Order: sequence, then C-alpha cells, then structure tokens
Amino acid sequence: AQKVTQAQTEISVVEKEDVTLDCVYETRDTTYYLFWYKQPPSGELVFLIRRNSFDEQNEISGRYSWNFQKSTSSFNFTITASQVVDSAVYFCALSGRGNKLVFGAGTILRVKS
Amino acid sequence: DAGVIQSPRHEVTEMGQEVTLRCKPISGHDYLFWYRQTMMRGLELLIYFNNNVPIDDSGMPEDRFSAKMPNASFSTLKIQPSEPRDSAVYFCASSLVAIYNEQFFGPGTRLTVL
Repeated sequence: AQKVTQAQTEISVVEKEDVTLDCVYETRDTTYYLFWYKQPPSGELVFLIRRNSFDEQNEISGRYSWNFQKSTSSFNFTITASQVVDSAVYFCALSGRGNKLVFGAGTILRVKS
Repeated sequence: DAGVIQSPRHEVTEMGQEVTLRCKPISGHDYLFWYRQTMMRGLELLIYFNNNVPIDDSGMPEDRFSAKMPNASFSTLKIQPSEPRDSAVYFCASSLVAIYNEQFFGPGTRLTVL
C-alpha cells in the first residue's frame, strides 16, 4: 500500500524566516511520482511540483526548493524568506503503479507579519 | 484555457434530497478525478475516469454515490439520498494523457447537508 506522512500538522513562522515542510512516503513501486500542492485560504488546490522516482536532483524555483532523498523516502519542501502570502495548507502526494494520487494529511503553514 | 470548472460552488440541501455536482475538465485532458475533502479524512479519491470510462470507483463510499462521464467535457457526481455526513468539499480534477501528469483541480463544491 502507498502512504504519505506529513508529521507536521501546523507550523507558524514570522515573515522572512525559512521553513521546511516534511514529507515521508511509503511505496513498493520502483517507479512513482511525488507531488506538492498548495491550498490557500480560498480553497483551490494549486500544483507546485512533480518529481519522478529516478530523478533525485533537488529543484529550486524562486523562493521554493525541494529535496528528494530516496534513501530516506523523503520529499521535503523549503520556503526561503517566507511571506504572508505563503500561508496555506501544503499537501504532499504520491502516485505509483496503482495510478492513484495518495495525499498526505497536509501541513498548515501560518506566516505572521 | 479556463481551467477545471465546477458547479455549483456551494450547495445547501436537506437530508434525503438528491444532490448533483458538475464538472467540466480541461479540454484535451483524458483523465478526470473526483475527490472529497473533510477535516476528519483529508483528501480522498472517490473515482476516476479515463477517456470517459470509469476505471476505479473503489473510493466511492456507498451506493448512494454515483458518477458519470457522458462525454469528454462533462462529468457528474450524484448523491441520492444525501446525508449530513456527506457534507464536505468535493473537488474535480483532470490531467493529460498519462496519469503521472500533474492533476489540475477545480475550485471545489462545498456541500452542506442539513
């Protein structure tokens, strides 16, 4: 069975702090994909990034960066110099041979000014 | 493209009534998904379609739920009869040919069953 664990239920930071959201996954598939989605207070789910299991390169996009480590089955997400607009619920998700996207419980990020 | 379109955005109904949620996927996307989001259970996949054919409905909670996709640009999720425990936000999402592509979500329908 596939499983995604986001152990941090809620994180509060002050603007301009860096913050890392943890994601640990379980799968028996050798080929799988990992995703991060953002759900702002308005409620929609916004795709942020996709990573396949064969590509362990870290990725940076502006203030966002992702660290994928197969050895620890982790796909962590870091926001540098956080801003109030980053306040949202962030979901990590996994898709494998079963062809279904399995979401973690989500981490609520609160960025205070 | 307009993105995934869902209607209605909000629905309030009484227990026992039939509820129909609607979704228009992004044009050209071959996969369509229905999810339910609640505080207790998080995001759950209810059913997904490939080329209008239901592939996996193992997440549909019970026979009161049904979903159809009569053509590539329209899908419905129906609850009959509705119960208070069905109150949730229902999302529709679509993706390109390969299921490993990212899914694009609609704005959701917030359903309240009194």
